[in-house]
Amino acid sequence: SAVISQKPSRDICQRGTSLTIQCQVDSQVTMMFWYRQQPGQSLTLIATANQGSEATYESGFVIDKFPISRPNLTFSTLTVSNMSPEDSSIYLCSVDSSGRAVTDTQYFGPGTRLTVL
Amino acid sequence: RKEVEQDPGPFNVPEGATVAFNCTYSNSASQSFFWYRQDCRKEPKLLMSVYSSGNEDGRFTAQLNRASQYISLLIRDSKLSDSATYLCVVNRVGGYNKLIFGAGTRLAVHP
Repeated sequence: SAVISQKPSRDICQRGTSLTIQCQVDSQVTMMFWYRQQPGQSLTLIATANQGSEATYESGFVIDKFPISRPNLTFSTLTVSNMSPEDSSIYLCSVDSSGRAVTDTQYFGPGTRLTVL
Repeated sequence: RKEVEQDPGPFNVPEGATVAFNCTYSNSASQSFFWYRQDCRKEPKLLMSVYSSGNEDGRFTAQLNRASQYISLLIRDSKLSDSATYLCVVNRVGGYNKLIFGAGTRLAVHP
């Protein structure tokens, strides 16, 4: 399985500011994903990060609010822009290295715990 | 209706008990099914995939009933270390490598 790291592990931010979360994988992977897990809730997919093209966003999530970069096959960033307290959540990146259309499985990073004051 | 529904629990069981979790999914064309485990303040980790024939991994048995769109997880001889939230996960049909997570079922195993 892939080893995934995220930075920062946690942060406390003021409303109106932006935070960029980094996700690094120890091997090249085809698909990288960004999820949000709000307190007491399950995971919600924000977007799929594709290398060499724009990210694909899920309903309810937009690029202006959550810009994503995927400069290579081992790295991605998610920015949470113009933050409000409602953005307080855990943000997780995950990878699927199978490269197949029907997912085999996904491995998750340790998450970034964000608190917005 | 949610795409993946689970009983949120919590299930409070003594050590050694057998406990079963159920999950239903709404899209009959779903193809891949999984159980993930999430410990408190940790990331989800794959527990096992679920196949139509049913599969077993030690004390854990997963079953899939496509006709009823129903997935189950059975844990035998519960250990204190089994205490966690168990997430039922289904792939999103028509979506490339997209997974839909249930809200999770909390299990607390006590001495």
